[in-house]
Amino acid sequence: EVQLLESGGGLVQPGGSLRLSCAASGFTFSSYAMSWVRQAPGKGLEWVSAISGSGDITYSTDSVKGRFTISRDNSKNTLYLQMNSLRAEDTAIYYCAKDIGVRVTTDTPDYWGQGTLVTVSS
Amino acid sequence: DIQMTQSPSSLSASVGDRVTITCRASQSISSYLSWYQQKPGKAPKLLIYAASNLQSGVPSRFSGSGSGTDFTLTISSLQPEDFASYYCQQSYTTPPTFGQGTKIEIK
Repeated sequence: EVQLLESGGGLVQPGGSLRLSCAASGFTFSSYAMSWVRQAPGKGLEWVSAISGSGDITYSTDSVKGRFTISRDNSKNTLYLQMNSLRAEDTAIYYCAKDIGVRVTTDTPDYWGQGTLVTVSS
Repeated sequence: DIQMTQSPSSLSASVGDRVTITCRASQSISSYLSWYQQKPGKAPKLLIYAASNLQSGVPSRFSGSGSGTDFTLTISSLQPEDFASYYCQQSYTTPPTFGQGTKIEIK
């Protein structure tokens, strides 16, 4: 059974940093691209960042470029999102998601974690 | 970025109704279109990928169609567990983008 368990969310002041983690199990982690998708309170879904299975290809939406870094440790089956220079508009539930494609990035998540809440406020 | 526009933003329907949600892309995305269902307090769930492919385990009352810029999600006979929000998402170009969502409420 595929499981994705996010952690690391919390309350942080504007300008602060957080690192989110997503522990994966139930599938061959290194064979799948992974993504972070966020949802502001009461709002829709927004793609944040994605990373290929090997970790050599990453991309992020413009609003987080230069501030957020996606990475993965395939030996630990864990996905990360390092978030720096946080802003109030980054407040959201952050979901970790697994790509549907095996050894190919399709940008179509088929499994999602339960999410972790990040609140940026003074 | 490709803009995805869903309509309607919300609708009221009854159990047993046939419901159709539309999604329009700001440019052609071929068939790189997925549909997700999200219930309050829960993560999204993949329903349809590549415009018309039913994800494993999803009831056959859900179906998707379309290509290019215009797509539809149809629920043939609405069930109580289908009252939720639905999102389309394009994966044709990066960054992937979502529609604003359609909320189905009980009439």
